[in-house]
Amino acid sequence: GAVVSQHPSWVICKSGTSVKIECRSLDFQATTMFWYRQFPKQSLMLMATSNEGSKATYEQGVEKDKFLINHASLTLSTLTVTSAHPEDSSFYICSARWTGQQYFGPGTRLTVT
Amino acid sequence: QKEVEQNSGPLSVPEGAIASLNCTYSDRGSQSFFWYRQYSGKSPELIMSIYSNGDKEDGRFTAQLNKASQYVSLLIRDSQPSDSATYLCAVNTGSSNTGKLIFGQGTTLQVKP
Repeated sequence: GAVVSQHPSWVICKSGTSVKIECRSLDFQATTMFWYRQFPKQSLMLMATSNEGSKATYEQGVEKDKFLINHASLTLSTLTVTSAHPEDSSFYICSARWTGQQYFGPGTRLTVT
Repeated sequence: QKEVEQNSGPLSVPEGAIASLNCTYSDRGSQSFFWYRQYSGKSPELIMSIYSNGDKEDGRFTAQLNKASQYVSLLIRDSQPSDSATYLCAVNTGSSNTGKLIFGQGTTLQVKP
C-alpha cells in the first residue's frame, strides 16, 4: 500500500514553455500532498503544500504564479511550471501524507533547454 | 542555524560494520522523526519513523531518539554495499497529521566490500 506515482518521469522542454507534472496516490486518498524540488547534491526543498479543494500554501521564496498547483481530487495534485527557464531544471518530487507519514513519488526530472 | 542538521559525509564503512548516522534538530516541539534513504537519481524511500524517546529496531536498522538533546540517529548493522546511498533525516514540524517535513542535507554512506 501507500503508492504514489508521478508523470512524466522526465521531460525536456524549451525555454518559455509550460510543463505540467501529475502526482497521484494510487491506493489511498490524500487530503494533503507536497511538492519538493531537489538540485544536484542538495537536499529536498519544500516548495508548497497542496490541500484538496483549497489553495496551495507556498514556502517563502517560491513564486506561486510560476509554480501553479492544483489539487482537484483526493488522489491527484498537479504542478505546472509556467514559462520555464533553464534555472528551473531540477528534480521535482511529490509526496502524499497518509496515516501520519509521507510517501514519495518517483520524481520528475525536468530539463529546460 | 539550520533546522535539521546532518554531517554531509561521506561516511565510509567496511562491509559488515555498523554505520552510525546522526541528526540534530532545532525545534524542541517536534514530535515526529523520520529517516529516508535516497539512491542517486531516485526519490527518497522511508526507512524508519520514530516518535518517542529511546530505540526502535527494524531488521538491521535501529533509530534512536533523544528529545532532551534534540538528537536522532540511525544505526545500520551488518552494512552491505547495497546500503550505499544518501540518508536523509526529516523532522515533522507539527503533529503527525499536520505540519510539514523539514529535511537535513543528508549523509552520504559508502559501504566498501
